[in-house]
Amino acid sequence: DQQVKQNSPSLSVQEGRISILNCDYTNSMFDYFLWYKKYPAEGPTFLISISSIKDKNEDGRFTVFLNKSAKHLSLHIVPSQPGDSAVYFCAASARETSGSRLTFGEGTQLTVNP
Amino acid sequence: GAGVSQSPSNKVTEKGKDVELRCDPISGHTALYWYRQSLGQGLEFLIYFQGNSAPDKSGLPSDRFSAERTGGSVSTLTIQRTQQEDSAVYLCASSLQRGHGYTFGSGTRLTVV
Repeated sequence: DQQVKQNSPSLSVQEGRISILNCDYTNSMFDYFLWYKKYPAEGPTFLISISSIKDKNEDGRFTVFLNKSAKHLSLHIVPSQPGDSAVYFCAASARETSGSRLTFGEGTQLTVNP
Repeated sequence: GAGVSQSPSNKVTEKGKDVELRCDPISGHTALYWYRQSLGQGLEFLIYFQGNSAPDKSGLPSDRFSAERTGGSVSTLTIQRTQQEDSAVYLCASSLQRGHGYTFGSGTRLTVV
């Protein structure tokens, strides 16, 4: 049962344009959502997060939007840069889960072309 | 240490052999997590430690998998009688407290031949 899904395995955009990465979840107990970025041969690194009490969180070029009714979140990167090329993982946690462990999606490979 | 350290970075082993993967979390981080990423898959939760105890082992795929943590620090993930389907990148993460803000290590790429 895949509770967090990223339906697009890959996305390609031009430098300077907006990148939009999408994520859907099924578990209504999830109350905290995160995005991680992963370069080859490295571990994932935290990018941005959002609590379920908000619908938007912004950090520089990165903005995460949360639509609780649709159980959908998205990550917007604008403007996109070649260094943003990486695999992006969406993750979610529920306060009630032991350790508040994170459930990850399958990842989306973003390629930003110069 | 400054980050989460995992060793070895790569491991090739023969089917049926046992392997041990090591994780050195960030000093002072009480929560430690093991995940694995198989080819083309997302990160799959294996086990969570709070201190030296493991309140959640629900992700361990079989009884061939075990993990321990000593001194509230280093953790070892052991896979006995490895199978080809165990081939994956095994990632360790630590956190200052339960919940958010994981810091991941670079992982151990395990290949079972």
